[in-house]
Amino acid sequence: QVQLQQWGAGLLKPSETLSLTCAVYGGSFSGYYWSWIRQPPGKGLEWIGEINHSGSTNYNPSLKSRVTISVDTSKNQFSLKLSSVTAADTAVYYCARVGRKYYGSGSYGPNYYYYMDVWGKGTTVTVSS
Amino acid sequence: QSVLTQPPSVSAAPGQKVTISCSGSSSNIGNNYVSWYQQLPGTAPKLLIYENNKRPSGIPDRFSGSKSGTSATLGITGLQTGDEADYYCGTWDSSLSAAVFGTGTKVTVL
Repeated sequence: QVQLQQWGAGLLKPSETLSLTCAVYGGSFSGYYWSWIRQPPGKGLEWIGEINHSGSTNYNPSLKSRVTISVDTSKNQFSLKLSSVTAADTAVYYCARVGRKYYGSGSYGPNYYYYMDVWGKGTTVTVSS
Repeated sequence: QSVLTQPPSVSAAPGQKVTISCSGSSSNIGNNYVSWYQQLPGTAPKLLIYENNKRPSGIPDRFSGSKSGTSATLGITGLQTGDEADYYCGTWDSSLSAAVFGTGTKVTVL
């Protein structure tokens, strides 16, 4: 049974860098992509980005300039850094395993089966001066 | 901000059926597979449906998914009080090269 355990600083000041780590226990690490998702208070889910074991990443275009996702395969861990945080970055941050399979290209680009099947419990991050 | 549109809320009595729609476009739902997630209050989302209509192990067959064109639908039959939660659709957007989620729907059991 795969489990994700996540941790990181929960209170930040504006302009600081958010840093979270997610450890994967009990399953294959190299066969998947791993993602970060966030949820502001009372709002919906927002995908932040993803990484695979070889370090290949994809980011949400709206956050790309501030986001770095990295991987440490020796520890089966992946991490999120979000720079220059503001109050708008206050949210619960989740890590998740991605089920992702390419099945062809269309007019808009590559097409995928895509879903998150295992989730961490979430880390509440508050940005306040 | 969400690329996929869902109704804010749906409700029904115990034992009844509800359906939740998820409307997108050709670059996302129209050309990629849809997943659905259930988020009980104060907990992380849980995968309910993947690849449009498949259920992970342990998800009861009261939950079903379908897709037609640029829209998808989640159905819940035999509604139970434990089904009260927020439900989100999700997929890949080939134009954005990003995963996207729906706006979310709150299910209330009357």
